[in-house]
Amino acid sequence: QVHLVESGGGVVQPGTSLRLSCAASGFTFSTYAIHWVRQAPGKGLEWVAVISYDGINKYYADSVRGRFTISRDNSKNTLYMQMNTVRPEDTAVYYCARGKSGGYRDGFDIWGQGTMVTVSS
Amino acid sequence: DIQMTQSPSTLSASVGDRVTITCRASQSITNWLAWYQQKPGKAPKLLISKASSLENGVPSRFSGSGSGTEFTLSIRNLQPEDFATYYCQQYNSYWTFGQGTKVEIK
Repeated sequence: QVHLVESGGGVVQPGTSLRLSCAASGFTFSTYAIHWVRQAPGKGLEWVAVISYDGINKYYADSVRGRFTISRDNSKNTLYMQMNTVRPEDTAVYYCARGKSGGYRDGFDIWGQGTMVTVSS
Repeated sequence: DIQMTQSPSTLSASVGDRVTITCRASQSITNWLAWYQQKPGKAPKLLISKASSLENGVPSRFSGSGSGTEFTLSIRNLQPEDFATYYCQQYNSYWTFGQGTKVEIK
């Protein structure tokens, strides 16, 4: 079974940091680009970041560039998102999702169940 | 940035109906478009990629069409399990989702 499982969410204060993890199983993790997508409560989907299969190339949405850092450890089949200087508008369910073909030009065929991040004082 | 606009935002329909959702891109994305279905409290599910390619296991009552800037998702013979929110997504340049279309029971 192909799975992605997020963890690390919680309630944090504005201006602080949090690290999300996404553990992969059931497929060759090191051959796929992986994305983070978030969804604020009651809102639509927002793409956040992507990392290439080898961890070399990383791209970010304008809303998080300079504050969030995506990374991966292929030896551990795990994706990460370091979230610094968080803001109330970062409150959302964060999903990791696999690029279907392994590269960038395809839909996201496998999604985790999501982890909730709440930024509040 | 490429903007994606879906219409309508909400669609009321009955079991057995045929429904169509439209997605427009702010510039040409050729056929680099996906459609997702999301049910409350669940992750999105990929239905269609490359504008019209149905994913394995997705019922054939779902179909996608279009190219360039205008795309449609059609569902014929709507079933109870199809009531959900649907999103389009472009992946021509970065990745952008439409705002979603909620298909609700009339």
